[in-house]
Amino acid sequence: EVQLLESGGGLVQPGGSLRLSCAASGFTFSTYAMSWVRQAPGKGLEWIAVTSGRGESSHYADSVKGRFTISRDNSKSTLYLQMNSLRVEDTAVYYCGRYTPCDYWGQGTLVTVSS
Amino acid sequence: EIVMTQSPATLSLSPGERATLSCWASQSVSTNLAWYQQKPGQAPRLLIFGASTRATGIPARFSGSGSGTQFTLTISGLQSEDFAVYYCQQYNTWPPLAFGGGTKVEIK
Repeated sequence: EVQLLESGGGLVQPGGSLRLSCAASGFTFSTYAMSWVRQAPGKGLEWIAVTSGRGESSHYADSVKGRFTISRDNSKSTLYLQMNSLRVEDTAVYYCGRYTPCDYWGQGTLVTVSS
Repeated sequence: EIVMTQSPATLSLSPGERATLSCWASQSVSTNLAWYQQKPGQAPRLLIFGASTRATGIPARFSGSGSGTQFTLTISGLQSEDFAVYYCQQYNTWPPLAFGGGTKVEIK
């Protein structure tokens, strides 16, 4: 059974940093591109980053480019999102998803940016 | 950058009725279009990919159509569990892998 489990969310002050993790199981992790998608409270879905199966290629939404970094450790079947210079508007539930389009999703982890 | 637009924002229907949701792309995305369903407090679920192919385990009452810039998701005979928010997403030209703003299907 495919499972994706995010962790690492929490409360952080503006300008701070946070690293999210997404632990994958039930499939050969290294053969799938992986994405991060977020959803601000009461808002729609926003795609923010994708990385290829081997991690050699990544792409970002303009809203996070230069501040967020997507990476993966295929030996640990884990996807990461390093978030720096966080802003109030980054407050959202962050989901990891498998492939494009995302056929499996994690349950999400809440990131709150507030002073 | 491709922009995805969905309409209507809200659709009020009764159980058993047919729901027709629309999604437009600002430029052609061929048939590289997906539909997702999201219920409150839950992660999205993939319904349709390739504009018209149902994902694993999706009931036949969900169908997708369209190509290029205009797409439709039809739910034939709404059931109670179908009241949710639906999003389209293009994956033809990216970044970004843009989502539409969503259509909420609510009980009338």
